[in-house]
Amino acid sequence: DGGITQSPKYLFRKEGQNVTLSCEQNLNHDAMYWYRQDPGQGLRLIYYSQIVNDFQKGDIAEGYSVSREKKESFPLTVTSAQKNPTAFYLCASSRQGPGWPQHFGDGTRLSIL
Amino acid sequence: GQQLNQSPQSMFIQEGEDVSMNCTSSSIFNTWLWYKQDPGEGPVLLIALYKAGELTSNGRLTAQFGITRKDSFLNISASIPSDVGIYFCAGHRSQGNLIFGKGTKLSVKP
Repeated sequence: DGGITQSPKYLFRKEGQNVTLSCEQNLNHDAMYWYRQDPGQGLRLIYYSQIVNDFQKGDIAEGYSVSREKKESFPLTVTSAQKNPTAFYLCASSRQGPGWPQHFGDGTRLSIL
Repeated sequence: GQQLNQSPQSMFIQEGEDVSMNCTSSSIFNTWLWYKQDPGEGPVLLIALYKAGELTSNGRLTAQFGITRKDSFLNISASIPSDVGIYFCAGHRSQGNLIFGKGTKLSVKP
């Protein structure tokens, strides 16, 4: 089945630690995205990538980093500089750029130990 | 960043009732999308709209792209218990990224 796989489902971070969230898609989509979701809020864009080896900051990129070395993969690192990392993180992909419908993975819930 | 105004924020449904929700903005959009999110899962695309006035159905769900291009509406007919969840609208203008509403939470009437 084609889709987007996020792992792990749950992740815990210690103070001062960097953690990496995985996102893999087999939809052959060009564009991939990372969103942060807080309770009662809409989705806020962290980073997006429209092509391999290129990515742009979204609205809340501070304290996060990404890479796009392969079309299928778009990992997100939550660095120690992100002081309030507890949230639900969603990865999405679309056939081309942001004007195309985005399809989402099942999310990773990150909590602080 | 800009967000869309989605209403109502929450509503209770009784099985068999029809449900309506909407999304408005002060800006013009070229694309409107409606998603449903169940607890602990990612949003699932329900309906995509691309032209002003367009009316599209997906089973018991019907969505419309407003004539002014500044709003969109989602209706659910004859609701069933599995309709509970959070419904998000999202809009795209000619440039920039997808903009999401804060969601409408559908719950079952006690």
